[in-house]
Amino acid sequence: TQLLEQSPQFLSIQEGENLTVYCNSSSVFSSLQWYRQEPGEGPVLLVTVVTGGEVKKLKRLTFQFGDARKDSSLHITAAQPGDTGLYLCAGPNYGQNFVFGPGTRLSVLP
Amino acid sequence: GAGVSQSPSNKVTEKGKDVELRCDPISGHTALYWYRQRLGQGLEFLIYFQGNSAPDKSGLPSDRFSAERTGESVSTLTIQRTQQEDSAVYLCASLLWGGNTEAFFGQGTRLTVV
Repeated sequence: TQLLEQSPQFLSIQEGENLTVYCNSSSVFSSLQWYRQEPGEGPVLLVTVVTGGEVKKLKRLTFQFGDARKDSSLHITAAQPGDTGLYLCAGPNYGQNFVFGPGTRLSVLP
Repeated sequence: GAGVSQSPSNKVTEKGKDVELRCDPISGHTALYWYRQRLGQGLEFLIYFQGNSAPDKSGLPSDRFSAERTGESVSTLTIQRTQQEDSAVYLCASLLWGGNTEAFFGQGTRLTVV
């Protein structure tokens, strides 16, 4: 059983389209993070959300933390081929372990 | 060091041989994780070290896999009697628990078992 579930698992869209990917848990997290992994690289942190209901924007990326701190979403506006990669959500669970979701693999076609 | 360093970056080995993968975490980071990532897949948790506590080995797939960490520094992941299904990228991450906890990843070791 995954502590963090992500959907969709795979997503292929055309350049210019908008998309949203989701991260869900049955557990409450004190914070959630989103990482992006590009081919041949390790994942790199994009953002940390801490407060329930928080919204953070990073250029064309909008991150939201659910009010109950059990879920988060990442919305990309006008996707570009450079957005292609594996998007992972992660967070500290009870006991200070750090868990990752299985990821959403995004492909943006030119 | 400036970042997490893993070596070798690539390793090709024959089936049945043992391999040792190395991770140098960021200095001062008390937590260290090993993950396996098969082609086109997400991260598969293997093992977690936190300071001097007993490691969480719950993700190791078989007794052919083992890992050690010397204090809060270098870690090695050893795979004995490698099998073709062990072929994957092995990623190491280190982090320091605190107000702005962030996992820093190495570039990974790409293991190919032929």
